[in-house]
Amino acid sequence: DTGVSQDPRHKITKRGQNVTFRCDPISEHNRLYWYRQTLGQGPEFLTYFQNEAQLEKSRLLSDRFSAERPKGSFSTLEIQRTEQGDSAMYLCASRDSSGNTIYFGEGSWLTVV
Amino acid sequence: GNSVTQMEGPVTLSEEAFLTINCTYTATGYPSLFWYVQYPGEGLQLLLKATKADDKGSNKGFEATYRKETTSFHLEKGSVQVSDSAVYFCALSLDTGRRALTFGSGTRLQVQP
Repeated sequence: DTGVSQDPRHKITKRGQNVTFRCDPISEHNRLYWYRQTLGQGPEFLTYFQNEAQLEKSRLLSDRFSAERPKGSFSTLEIQRTEQGDSAMYLCASRDSSGNTIYFGEGSWLTVV
Repeated sequence: GNSVTQMEGPVTLSEEAFLTINCTYTATGYPSLFWYVQYPGEGLQLLLKATKADDKGSNKGFEATYRKETTSFHLEKGSVQVSDSAVYFCALSLDTGRRALTFGSGTRLQVQP
């Protein structure tokens, strides 16, 4: 399968712990996005990469959140000192440089207890 | 700013009924418009899209027409099936810059046999 893949699919963590999610975009897609989705809401934009450069970050991305895409391929999203309000599904998506269609992964569910 | 407004759900229909889910948008510039579908516990799948005024997107019996004069992109299907039960998201992206998607809040469709 050559779609966007995310890992882990589910994560339960205690408040205050750090968590990291990984995203592998579609091969040759140089644009990568992270979104957050809470229950009953549409996804909200968090951050955007073009190759390895992080070009935009939403105000939703507090200082506890950091995203990287070190070689312009896979990306990681780390949340430090998790809070209960961080409980959500974190979606990764990608597209190629010319297309306007964004393809999503299955998402990573985070539950902070 | 850019925004998408969808009709609130849930929408409950009997199998083979006609479906309409309303979507209107506000955008600076000329957006592309999308419908994504999300099945329980999964990520988002692109259902259909339209990139300019009067374009009609269609897929799996679903259709939506880009109406610039009414800033709308209503989703329709002539005969729904139980398997269509899901949450449907209307979204837009501008054709410049990061082209990130702005989503509506989603409409849950429940189809009863």
